[in-house]
Amino acid sequence: GDSVTQMEGPVTLSEEAFLTINCTYTATGYPSLFWYVQYPGEGLQLLLKATKADDKGSNKGFEATYRKETTSFHLEKGSVQVSDSAVYFCALRNPYGQNFVFGPGTRLSVLP
Amino acid sequence: EPEVTQTPSHQVTQMGQEVILRCVPISNHLYFYWYRQILGQKVEFLVSFYNNEISEKSEIFDDQFSVERPDGSNFTLKIRSTKLEDSAMYFCASSATGDTQYFGPGTRLTVL
Repeated sequence: GDSVTQMEGPVTLSEEAFLTINCTYTATGYPSLFWYVQYPGEGLQLLLKATKADDKGSNKGFEATYRKETTSFHLEKGSVQVSDSAVYFCALRNPYGQNFVFGPGTRLSVLP
Repeated sequence: EPEVTQTPSHQVTQMGQEVILRCVPISNHLYFYWYRQILGQKVEFLVSFYNNEISEKSEIFDDQFSVERPDGSNFTLKIRSTKLEDSAMYFCASSATGDTQYFGPGTRLTVL
């Protein structure tokens, strides 16, 4: 079945550091790919998405590129802030189904 | 900006009791979903609902669970006889097209 793998957390960075959170997937067909963020005590918020190969999703300084050849959708940000501290979930939606498959989440802590 | 809302934010119940979790999806959306997240674990798909019927469900969604759209605005998840292992955060989501899903803030269910 479809699956999403993310790098193990927690990830702890200093403010203004560069962030990469790796995400790889296994899916039949060509899924849409998403990053969701969950701030403490809140629900899931869509951060960015990409629906086809080589698409780049971006939002709030975060970027991720849909790499079909490596089945990856790594999340990057050039300079993190304390307010970026949250859990980040990579997810896919297979065009043949309706549900999302989520990765386990990566907790990011940014220290001032 | 329209958002998905869920009530209550926290529900405490005794094992064996029935609970109903309520969601108000974004008003022009047609696809509705329930997910759950056991504390510290990944977000898991439960069920999707479209055109007044279940379109997909996971193995978790057994006979103890049911969903309903009783009117034009609410979408409910009923757990008929709660078990300790049903304790989790339950997220409702909605989508206009079946692609990008927008999540509510969640209901934390605690079964004692």
